[in-house]
Amino acid sequence: GAGVSQSPSNKVTEKGKDVELRCDPISGHTALYWYRQSLGQGLEFLIYFQGNSAPDKSGLPSDRFSAERTGGSVSTLTIQRTQQEDSAVYLCASRLQGGDGELFFGEGSRLTVL
Amino acid sequence: GDSVTQMEGPVTLSEEAFLTINCTYTATGYPSLFWYVQYPGEGLQLLLKATKADDKGSNKGFEATYRKETTSFHLEKGSVQVSDSAVYFCALSETDRDDKIIFGKGTRLHILP
Repeated sequence: GAGVSQSPSNKVTEKGKDVELRCDPISGHTALYWYRQSLGQGLEFLIYFQGNSAPDKSGLPSDRFSAERTGGSVSTLTIQRTQQEDSAVYLCASRLQGGDGELFFGEGSRLTVL
Repeated sequence: GDSVTQMEGPVTLSEEAFLTINCTYTATGYPSLFWYVQYPGEGLQLLLKATKADDKGSNKGFEATYRKETTSFHLEKGSVQVSDSAVYFCALSETDRDDKIIFGKGTRLHILP
């Protein structure tokens, strides 16, 4: 596609429910990142996929968070048993391998946990 | 681990004022450094970058110089415009972690006409 596509753009859920957020990166981009943007907290790194390598999960805040990337393309971020502190904008970005660091971001998925 | 620290906002300036947004980093290797910008209602986009010491990145009148001796990458613009109002993020690419990219907390800039 023309850019990084994320869905849903907005999600309101009740505390304790599971949510799935989807990211469709730019075609041909081998690296895919998930970040969380909270008010006053800036951009928090969550997880990073690069080609067929094992993902870097060092930023996932708890075991309620997981992500997968199927076929080296689309990625899904899953949050189980959501809590109010999970409310944030979840941003996905992709990059060409060796693309000198430039990330291309999606518009984000705004999650509100009631 | 590697980290990025940037000045807290919001920063409010009048049009045509000189802008500096400070950014310092901690890194074990030799990272690449970036400034990203998020305009109201838009996604983040790369503003400028520098990949080695003493490099100067520039774009849209903004400049930043990679200073290894002070581990800094301050963003400057000589004369800001209302259209520069946005959130600015400093970032680094960890060279020893296969390009994991770490961001600062962001600095919100308001330019008054």
